[in-house]
Amino acid sequence: QVHLVESGGGAVHPGRSLRLSCVASGFTFSRYAMHWVRQAPGKGLEWVAAIGNDGTNKYYTDSARGRFSVSRDNSRNTVYLQMNSLRAEDTAVYNCARGDIVATGPLDHWGQGTLATVSS
Amino acid sequence: DIVMTQSPDSLAVSLGERATINCKSSQSVFYSSNNKNYFAWYQVKPGQPPKLLIYWASTRESGVPDRFSGSGSGTDFTLTISSLQAEDVAVYYCQQYYSIPLTFGGGTKVEIK
Repeated sequence: QVHLVESGGGAVHPGRSLRLSCVASGFTFSRYAMHWVRQAPGKGLEWVAAIGNDGTNKYYTDSARGRFSVSRDNSRNTVYLQMNSLRAEDTAVYNCARGDIVATGPLDHWGQGTLATVSS
Repeated sequence: DIVMTQSPDSLAVSLGERATINCKSSQSVFYSSNNKNYFAWYQVKPGQPPKLLIYWASTRESGVPDRFSGSGSGTDFTLTISSLQAEDVAVYYCQQYYSIPLTFGGGTKVEIK
């Protein structure tokens, strides 16, 4: 069955970087867009970024554009989220999720998430 | 960006009774070319990742109990739980995937009365 496992979260100071990873299994990874969605403590869901199935097309929310970079390695069934210039408001659980063949589709499988804490 | 507005923020329903959640999008999420609404509902339980319940506004995801149903089109959508069970206590989110950025509603917390 589909399985998504995130890693790479942790506690960092403002202005520092984190690189999140999400390893997928149980499906043909290269056929699907992949997404990152975050949930800050006590807040709702916020879509952060997506990457098309072949890595060509990348999409970001305004707050992530210019600071975050999404990438994927289809040979390793892995999607990444490089997060630079982190701010306190980036503190959240980050989930990766499987999309559709295109980026505009429902998110049908989700990982358990990895917590990123940005604090001085 | 398409803004998704859910109501109510929370509701308490007796076991076996109906729960209804509404969601309104700031613009239509209906594509006339394929006659589909690019709209989904998710369930989030404490300590668990979101679970897709409904997509294309009314298609139930595999394995989702049939007490969950989605309806609506264009800008107005509804999630109905026909007979609330204890395991349905969760926060429910609507989402549009019509355009980037994908956007979610603020969530509706469902509790047992």
